[in-house]
Order: sequence, then C-alpha cells, then structure tokens
Amino acid sequence: DVKVTQSSRYLVKRTGEKVFLECVQDMDHENMFWYRQDPGLGLRLIYFSYDVKMKEKGDIPEGYSVSREKKERFSLILESASTNQTSMYLCASSLSTVSYEQYFGPGTRLTVT
Amino acid sequence: SQKIEQNSEALNIQEGKTATLTCNYTNYSPAYLQWYRQDPGRGPVFLLLIRENEKEKRKERLKVTFDTTLKQSLFHITASQPADSATYLCALEYSSASKIIFGSGTRLSIRP
Repeated sequence: DVKVTQSSRYLVKRTGEKVFLECVQDMDHENMFWYRQDPGLGLRLIYFSYDVKMKEKGDIPEGYSVSREKKERFSLILESASTNQTSMYLCASSLSTVSYEQYFGPGTRLTVT
Repeated sequence: SQKIEQNSEALNIQEGKTATLTCNYTNYSPAYLQWYRQDPGRGPVFLLLIRENEKEKRKERLKVTFDTTLKQSLFHITASQPADSATYLCALEYSSASKIIFGSGTRLSIRP
C-alpha cells in the first residue's frame, strides 16, 4: 500500500522560530510537493521537486524553503515562523510528471502563536 | 493566470439522488483534469483522471465529463450515499508543466 507520511499531525510554534516539516514517501516517486490549505483558498503550491536536490517555486514560496537530499524525503522549512503561516500543510508525491495522480500525506496542522 | 471555479461551496443532496459537481476554468484547456476526495482532517485522495481528448470517464458510481468548449468538467455520483459526504476537489494539469492547480473544492453532504 502506497504511503506518504508527515512528521507531525499537530504542531504549535512561536513567532520567529525555525520550523521543519518532514515528509517521506515509500513509493520511489520522482516528484514531491508541499501545499498549504486554508479555508476558501483551497490548496496552494509552495514548492515542488522533480528530482533529488532539485526544487521549483510554486505559487506562494515566500517565507519558505525546501530540501530534498534523498529521493524519499522532502522537507519544508519555515525560516522564521509568522502567524500568517498558521495553516494545514500537505505533502504529496507522484510517480512522474504529467498525467499521474498525486498521493497525499495526512497533513500537519501548524499553529504559530 | 489560470483560474478554477467549483460550483457552490456546499451542496446538500438527498440519499439515492445523483450529485453533480461543477468545475469551470478560464483560459486554455488543461491536458488532464483530475478529481479528488478530501475528508475532514485528511489529505485528498485521487478518484479519477480524464484527458483532454476524452469526453467521459466512469468508475463504479462515479462519472466525469470534460467539455473543452465550455471549459467545464462535471463530476457525478449516482445513487449517492451518506458515506459520499466529503469535499471534492478538481485539479488541472498542463502538459507543459509538472504541477497541478487545485480548485478550492465543493463540500458535499448526503442526507439520509
């Protein structure tokens, strides 16, 4: 059974803290994605990666960075957390580019106080 | 920039009826259109993919249509059940890009 796991389901951090969100997939997928989901705004793409050590900005990369040192792991980093980064963060992976469905993790609900 | 609109934020349907959800997009047509289901507190789950040159796709009680002239996809659930209650997301994918653009979803409630 395919699986995407995220390091935490719930996380509470203080403003200014550095935050790491980890995502691991066990399907040997090429592509990995980080989204945030907010009510009324839907899923918005933050960053994606189509290969190890490769990354591409999505629609809302400001305030975030990513790291992909191994194929199965994709990390999202909030350099200095702010309250407007309070959100649900979803990681996804897909086999390859174009016409392949995305498999999502369970999400991390991040609250920045 | 490309925009996706999914019909209402919420749809309430009587059990046994057919639920129809709409996904409209602007500008140029995607190469592929996908539909996902999302339950509260969980990540989306892939349901169906339809290609630009396909008019209709079926899977069990689900049916998706894709009209590139109207720039619209319809998602149907026949013989709806309370267990079908969830948020349904449509997503567009273009052959020139490796990313998918998601709509904000329609929350479907099936009442017994």
